[in-house]
Amino acid sequence: NAGVTQTPKFQVLKTGQSMTLQCAQDMNHEYMSWYRQDPGMGLRLIHYSVGAGITDQGEVPNGYNVSRSTTEDFPLRLLSAAPSQTSVYFCAIRTVYGYTFGSGTRLTVV
Amino acid sequence: KQEVTQIPAALSVPEGENLVLNCSFTDSAIYNLQWFRQDPGKGLTSLLLIQSSQREQTSGRLNASLDKSSGRSTLYIAASQPGDSATYLCAVRTYAGGTSYGKLTFGQGTILTVHP
Repeated sequence: NAGVTQTPKFQVLKTGQSMTLQCAQDMNHEYMSWYRQDPGMGLRLIHYSVGAGITDQGEVPNGYNVSRSTTEDFPLRLLSAAPSQTSVYFCAIRTVYGYTFGSGTRLTVV
Repeated sequence: KQEVTQIPAALSVPEGENLVLNCSFTDSAIYNLQWFRQDPGKGLTSLLLIQSSQREQTSGRLNASLDKSSGRSTLYIAASQPGDSATYLCAVRTYAGGTSYGKLTFGQGTILTVHP
């Protein structure tokens, strides 16, 4: 997972709390994206960005906000966490070698 | 809408066997197909990327083939080892709405167990 850094690795939130999942890359790639992985549902695209200042929704965007002020960073914000957002979140970049994923953030909302 | 199916859902084999994992997709308008490995509680590690113009790619004991017209890919693992035990995911990047960005769609994965 070299080149894509996600923090934190684990997080427990109470319902209604907010938080930001961080994703950073050091390879100046334009495309960055966020996925969530749930048992039986596979990996689903939340939001993606094709460059600084440009973002768009994926399959499951509700409850999540993103922004891309720099090429390096693509944070994912949960404004009011719900138990349904309990999941493992992965950030990914796209290169000429395909997609590279970060190591993930395991989020539990209680 | 692109749909990706992986068969079998789970596979258990003795060490040393050669094995084949299957991936099928419904929309042949793809940029490429990528195979990943995921260990329990870990992230996704890229194994092989096959461009739409290619028929196969090889890396060590792994060989992936692509038949775009029939919507199929296979991942062949030679001389399997216990360390190969993991979930193998197939992902297809499909053209999307005339843009050059495409969309990545995953299969549900095959859980592979190689026992000594």
